[in-house]
Amino acid sequence: SQQGEEDPQALSIQEGENATMNCSYKTSINNLQWYRQNSGRGLVHLILIRSNEREKHSGRLRVTLDTSKKSSSLLITASRAADTASYFCASGEYGNKLVFGAGTILRVKS
Amino acid sequence: KAGVTQTPRYLIKTRGQQVTLSCSPISGHRSVSWYQQTPGQGLQFLFEYFSETQRNKGNFPGRFSGRQFSNSRSEMNVSTLELGDSALYLCASSLNTVQGGYTFGSGTRLTVV
Repeated sequence: SQQGEEDPQALSIQEGENATMNCSYKTSINNLQWYRQNSGRGLVHLILIRSNEREKHSGRLRVTLDTSKKSSSLLITASRAADTASYFCASGEYGNKLVFGAGTILRVKS
Repeated sequence: KAGVTQTPRYLIKTRGQQVTLSCSPISGHRSVSWYQQTPGQGLQFLFEYFSETQRNKGNFPGRFSGRQFSNSRSEMNVSTLELGDSALYLCASSLNTVQGGYTFGSGTRLTVV
């Protein structure tokens, strides 16, 4: 499979806590993107980090990228019940395609 | 502005039939991509179109095909359906595939019986 890997597969936390998800990919990339999916519906783009960037912030989201290790992490701070969803990393490869990880299922308990 | 629109939302077909799915991208987005999502294989890239030209294709058999029209709307077709083609098919459009993210539609859920 060409899929990247994500861990953990599932994460359950209390509201207000931070959630960290990790992702590894396999090839050279243009960028690394993170998406959220609620209940098998469409994907929502959260954040994109370019291959020459190391860290990026957007609201409660913080993404890091380590191209030497071919890995990325997504941190969601002060989680809310509404953050409950599946989260996918996607490596933006040359050739205009995304290669997705297997996803992390996040459950935020109120 | 309107998002990415996929039709139909749900579809039930019989093995051996063919199916056509439609996608209208965000106005101004010329890149349209298709992905298949299944519980076993996850999200997999099918193909990407830009200005009516297929720029890239994933590892799917020739039964999967697509096209893009001059107004950037795209269709994908699956012929001789198999049970394993049951999946959520997602369409995504992008203004800039290198520096921008993709906007996904809600998907078409295809069930093959």
